[in-house]
Amino acid sequence: AQSVAQPEDQVNVAEGNPLTVKCTYSVSGNPYLFWYVQYPNRGLQFLLKYITGDNLVKGSYGFEAEFNKSQTSFHLKKPSALVSDSALYFCAVRDMDTGRRALTFGSGTRLQVQP
Amino acid sequence: DGGITQSPKYLFRKEGQNVTLSCEQNLNHDAMYWYRQDPGQGLRLIYYSQIVNDFQKGDIAEGYSVSREKKESFPLTVTSAQKNPTAFYLCASSISGGANTEAFFGQGTRLTVV
Repeated sequence: AQSVAQPEDQVNVAEGNPLTVKCTYSVSGNPYLFWYVQYPNRGLQFLLKYITGDNLVKGSYGFEAEFNKSQTSFHLKKPSALVSDSALYFCAVRDMDTGRRALTFGSGTRLQVQP
Repeated sequence: DGGITQSPKYLFRKEGQNVTLSCEQNLNHDAMYWYRQDPGQGLRLIYYSQIVNDFQKGDIAEGYSVSREKKESFPLTVTSAQKNPTAFYLCASSISGGANTEAFFGQGTRLTVV
């Protein structure tokens, strides 16, 4: 079975500082990994994905994520946070080697960027 | 505009009633999904469909039913057998059921039992 853990319910950071939102995963085979953002009462917006290749993936709005196979992690990062980045962030995984084609999501991390 | 449309945005259900949530996409995507979102629990998969006239149960299918008669439509019925239906429901689609394709989400339907 595939699973995702987001160990922090909330992350607080000052505007202009770097931010990290943590994600670890568990799959039986090789993973496809995704990050999404959700604003209040809205659907999820896709930020970036790791499929294969370079471990550092760049996505929308200046976000990037680093894939670490040995630590089974896929942390989301941004060099300089904006107040407008405040939202709920979800990590998701798909196992390449199983028949389950739907994404499995973590419980979400609320990012609060203070002015 | 291409996208996924969920309706209604807010829905109120009385005890014992069945209600149907609509999801329509004009992205020409093969695969469609229904998720339920509760506070602190992330998104949980209810049903998914990789092709017309075929669908599979997700992790929490009990008390729900779906149909996929058309490629662009994947309605979800919340039946009276679902004991705690109050939640935010999200529909999504992807180009195919391929593992490397991201899913695109609608704006959600908030269902409340009154």
